Formats: sequence, C-alpha cells, structure tokens
Amino acid sequence: EDQVTQSPEALRLQEGESSSLNCSYTVSGLRGLFWYRQDPGKGPEFLFTLYSAGEEKEKERLKATLTKKESFLHITAPKPEDSATYLCAASGGNTDKLIFGTGTRLQVFP
Amino acid sequence: EAQVTQNPRYLITVTGKKLTVTCSQNMNHEYMSWYRQDPGLGLRQIYYSMNVEVTDKGDVPEGYKVSRKEKRNFPLILESPSPNQTSLYFCASSLLHSNQPQHFGDGTRLSIL
Repeated sequence: EDQVTQSPEALRLQEGESSSLNCSYTVSGLRGLFWYRQDPGKGPEFLFTLYSAGEEKEKERLKATLTKKESFLHITAPKPEDSATYLCAASGGNTDKLIFGTGTRLQVFP
Repeated sequence: EAQVTQNPRYLITVTGKKLTVTCSQNMNHEYMSWYRQDPGLGLRQIYYSMNVEVTDKGDVPEGYKVSRKEKRNFPLILESPSPNQTSLYFCASSLLHSNQPQHFGDGTRLSIL
C-alpha cells in the first residue's frame, strides 16, 4: 500500500538552531515528491517539488532533498516566522492520487 | 488573482440534511481534488478529477459525491451527512496532474450534529 510517513510529529527549535524534517515514502513509481507549508486556518502552500533521487531544491532558509526512500526538509537558522506545519506528499503508482503525510508541526521560538 | 475559492467557509448542520460545498478555480486547471483534514490523520484525498466529466475515487470516498460539469467548478456533495464527516475540507487544483503543484483553497470547516 502506498504510504507517506513524516517525523517528528512536532519539533521545537530555538531561533537559529538548524534541523531537518523527515518524509519516508513507499510509493511505487514515484512521479513527484512535494513539500507544503500550512499555517493555522489556511490551506497548504506549495514549497517544493522533487522528481528524482539526488535532486535538491532551495528557497531562503529551506532546502529539500530526495533519495529513493525518503525526503528531507532542512531548515537553516530558522526564524519564528518559519513556525508552521510542514506537509509532505507523494504522487505515483498507477493512479493519479496524491498521498499526504500527517505533517510536522514546527515551532521556532526567539 | 489566481485562486481556488470554496464556499461556505463554515457550516453547522444536522445529520441527514443534504449539503453541497462549492469549489471554483480561475487558473484553467485540468486537475481538481477534494481532501479532508483530521487531527492525527492528516490530509486524505476524497475524490479527484482529471478533466470535465472524469472523476475518480481517492482514499476516503465513502459518503461523498462529486461532479465536474465545467472545468472551473468541482462541487463536493454530501447527500446524507453523518457526524463522522465533521472535518476540515480543502479543494485544490493543478495544471494537469497530481504530480504538479497543488493550489489549495482556504478550507471549509464542516460540523454535523
């Protein structure tokens, strides 16, 4: 069964303390791995798409990487405004479904 | 402004009373989908549509119906709502397929008593 698992469920960081969020996936024939940011009361907002193992994408303090089994979202020197829930999703298999993980709730405090 | 618009944003209703949540996008996207978001379970896909008159089940389709008569609209229909359908619902669209970035609406919080 296709599945996406994120860890940790929650992460508290001090401002400037770098860390990584993990997304493990078991999706046959991966067509795309996505990262989204979700703020309270809002819909998810697109961050990155990764299509093949070894690919990396960067945006400000965020960097996403992809291997054949997992993806990481690295956060370098986070700021309080980076506090949000980060969602990972995968597309693959013989359908056009999109499967989401349960998210990592990140809190960055001053 | 490119956007996905859902209505209503909030709804409290009773068991068995049919309701429709509308979703409209102004980006000429082919792919549209509905999700529900529940604590501890994350976002789960209900139905998706790859084009007009083409719809497919996601992972949790039971108790829901959809239709895609026009490209821009993708309503979610609950013909006989039950309390276990109380949830936060999101509509999303992308240019062609699920392997492209999804644009999400701001959500509909649905409470069924």
